[in-house]
Amino acid sequence: GAGVSQSPSNKVTEKGKDVELRCDPISGHTALYWYRQSLGQGLEFLIYFQGNSAPDKSGLPSDRFSAERTGGSVSTLTIQRTQQEDSAVYLCATSSGGAGDTQYFGPGTRLTVL
Amino acid sequence: GNSVTQMEGPVTLSEEAFLTINCTYTATGYPSLFWYVQYPGEGLQLLLKATKADDKGSNKGFEATYRKETTSFHLEKGSVQVSDSAVYFCALWGNQGGKLIFGQGTELSVKP
Repeated sequence: GAGVSQSPSNKVTEKGKDVELRCDPISGHTALYWYRQSLGQGLEFLIYFQGNSAPDKSGLPSDRFSAERTGGSVSTLTIQRTQQEDSAVYLCATSSGGAGDTQYFGPGTRLTVL
Repeated sequence: GNSVTQMEGPVTLSEEAFLTINCTYTATGYPSLFWYVQYPGEGLQLLLKATKADDKGSNKGFEATYRKETTSFHLEKGSVQVSDSAVYFCALWGNQGGKLIFGQGTELSVKP
């Protein structure tokens, strides 16, 4: 199993609760991306980590969203005070970090906010 | 900013029919172009890519040619199968950081 893995695969939460979504990258991949896939918005970029550089947070939709990447490996996307419009599939992708390198996607976490 | 536009779906074809899914892009510089596929219940998988003008990406009988003069990267397959039923996404990687910019996706349904 050398692919990108994500957990949990499904998460149901109540409005106002905080959630954490986890991504385990392909070993050796220095670049890690979070995207969101929803019916109305398609596939949207959220945040990008490359090595030890400051992350590109330009896609985060609000300050309720944050992400970190510990030790250049595992990443956690946190959504605070969830809202119903946060319901979507959250996708993690990683690449070897070169310009235009192929991004390999995990299976996603389906988040449902009731 | 950079953007990708795909033909709207759903597209319904009979088995062995010819497939074209149009994709055009807007970008400065020289982006890399990709087609990703999402089979029912599965994650996104890279189908093919091209990194410079006139390059042709190909995989599993699918092809797409990077046309800078028409800013297009249309996906084609000569004879589709039922197993090709999926959602296809065109995407570009350009000079706006590491992110991929995706089109809205085109759902393909192939009937036997």
